[in-house]
Amino acid sequence: QKEVEQNSGPLSVPEGAIASLNCTYSDRGSQSFFWYRQYSGKSPELIMFIYSNGDKEDGRFTAQLNKASQYVSLLIRDSQPSDSATYLCAVNVHIQGAQKLVFGQGTRLTINP
Amino acid sequence: GAVVSQHPSRVICKSGTSVKIECRSLDFQATTMFWYRQFPKQSLMLMATSNEGSKATYEQGVEKDKFLINHASLTLSTLTVTSAHPEDSSFYICSARAGTVNYGYTFGSGTRLTVV
Repeated sequence: QKEVEQNSGPLSVPEGAIASLNCTYSDRGSQSFFWYRQYSGKSPELIMFIYSNGDKEDGRFTAQLNKASQYVSLLIRDSQPSDSATYLCAVNVHIQGAQKLVFGQGTRLTINP
Repeated sequence: GAVVSQHPSRVICKSGTSVKIECRSLDFQATTMFWYRQFPKQSLMLMATSNEGSKATYEQGVEKDKFLINHASLTLSTLTVTSAHPEDSSFYICSARAGTVNYGYTFGSGTRLTVV
């Protein structure tokens, strides 16, 4: 079973603070990792992808990957109320010659003004 | 960027009828598309992988005779929910990959199906 685990939250962060979202995965062979944001009633939108160990920054977002620990995280700096959403960690896995995206259960984030 | 169009966005149907959902890649060719289902307050669960010109690959526990998938062209995949029942009410989302996997998967806007 290729699993992706996230803390479902809810995670509450004051406006302007750093929100930290975490994810672990079970498949050591996975190479590509994604963070999606999903607003209620909407489909997921890609925030970042990462496939090398270390940090990757894009604006207020930083993704961190540690393949040895099988751990992926997303940091949101200067959190805004509009960042309130469910954040989905997704891992690209290879199963029987096919590639597919496996999602964690999502972390619900609320930014308090 | 890559755009995936999904229609309809919302549909209500009577129990026992069938509903077709379309997923189109607008500015790229998608040899593979994916169909997900999401129940309230739950994550996305992959239902099947749709391959252009061949049979779809269904995930364990998904009834292939109930959820018919057709991927007749490089830009269109359809999901038909046959003999729908209230327990099929859910948010159905398709996705496709433009280019290599490292560019992520683009999602359609989703279809909210309500079976009454």
